[in-house]
Amino acid sequence: SQQGEEDPQALSIQEGENATMNCSYKTSINNLQWYRQNSGRGLVHLILIRSNEREKHSGRLRVTLDTSKKSSSLLITASRAADTASYFCATDTLGGNNRLAFGKGNQVVVIP
Amino acid sequence: DVKVTQSSRYLVKRTGEKVFLECVQDMDHENMFWYRQDPGLGLRLIYFSYDVKMKEKGDIPEGYSVSREKKERFSLILESASTNQTSMYLCASSTHLTGGGEKLFFGSGTQLSVL
Repeated sequence: SQQGEEDPQALSIQEGENATMNCSYKTSINNLQWYRQNSGRGLVHLILIRSNEREKHSGRLRVTLDTSKKSSSLLITASRAADTASYFCATDTLGGNNRLAFGKGNQVVVIP
Repeated sequence: DVKVTQSSRYLVKRTGEKVFLECVQDMDHENMFWYRQDPGLGLRLIYFSYDVKMKEKGDIPEGYSVSREKKERFSLILESASTNQTSMYLCASSTHLTGGGEKLFFGSGTQLSVL
């Protein structure tokens, strides 16, 4: 099955800076989701963007989707120490029976 | 809020033991999933279920089985645990939406060590 792949794998930033991470995928999708995982815990859903959408906002999160390049980006603005976590993209592929395929994750460390 | 509860946070078992990992959700979700998470490999789908008594193989079902006798409970079974099954196991649930777009609700995970 297809998997999203996040890039860069690890990011370390100062509090207040913006954090950007990218995700690429291989086949056509219905939608793409981003999840956050705090250390040693389960994943928490952040935002979903559908294949016919190009950009979506939720609080300090901004997600873009470029289906022609098969890529998405997640931007966290004005980062906080509490944003320290791993971030995963997950794709729901066309004909994939609504199964999500997760990327390997992107670790973000926000330094206070 | 949706709550997905995994019965154990940490579990240590011996090679060859039969292991049961339990997951219960309280939001009447139709769909339930078992993933394992390993460093550098991300989340991989083991089994999933869209209804009671129904199960589908995921990407890595070998060495595992599942049981869904009730809608709220989805159990993962390691018939004969092996050291390469040492991993973090994550259960998730979602409701069914026509047209897709279901978001997953995850449990806190079970860190299983097989010695």
